[in-house]
Amino acid sequence: QVQLQESGPGLVKPSETLSLICTVSGYSMSSTYYWGWIRQPPGKGLEWIGSIYDSENVYYNPSLKSRVTISVDTSKNQFSLEVRSVTAADTAVYFCARDKSASLYDAFDIWGQGTMVTVSS
Amino acid sequence: DIVMTQSPDSLAVSLGERATINCKSSQTILFDSNNKNYLVWYQQKPGQPPKVLINWASTRESGVPDRFSGSGSGTDFTLTISSLQAEDVAIYYCQQSYYTPFTFGGGTRVEVK
Repeated sequence: QVQLQESGPGLVKPSETLSLICTVSGYSMSSTYYWGWIRQPPGKGLEWIGSIYDSENVYYNPSLKSRVTISVDTSKNQFSLEVRSVTAADTAVYFCARDKSASLYDAFDIWGQGTMVTVSS
Repeated sequence: DIVMTQSPDSLAVSLGERATINCKSSQTILFDSNNKNYLVWYQQKPGQPPKVLINWASTRESGVPDRFSGSGSGTDFTLTISSLQAEDVAIYYCQQSYYTPFTFGGGTRVEVK
């Protein structure tokens, strides 16, 4: 079955760049689904960061767009997230997820377990 | 952005009783051309990622118990758990998938009374 796994540093210093990778297993990534990043600050709700289909079709939350880049590497079966100039407000559990269909406008039906990223000096 | 407002923030229900969660969007999320409401319900248990329960406001996902049901259209939606079980203790979120940025409700915590 399809599984997603986030990986990356658990601690990032303020003003630096947060970089995460989501590795997809059980499925050969191609341009058939949208793949997304969602985050959840401790004890709080969910925030959509952005979604990618391929390098030409990437959508970002405007609240983060100036600091975020999402990219995909189908040869490695991975997609990635970069958040630049982080502050304590970026401390959160970061989830990667897959859209249920090839449409951007659908539910996220498969999620990774999430990875906690703390921004602190 | 479409603002999703859930109510109540939390509720305590006796086992076997009904739980009702409301979700209101700041604008319609009904797409006229296909008559679909772009509303998703998720369940999140501690330490786990969200799990999709209901899509298109009322379509139960495969494997989801039929005690979970979704209703509503336009801007007002409801998730109902017809007979609460102990394993339903969780936080429930609604999400609009109508257009970006996708937005979630603040969550409703369901506990056993």
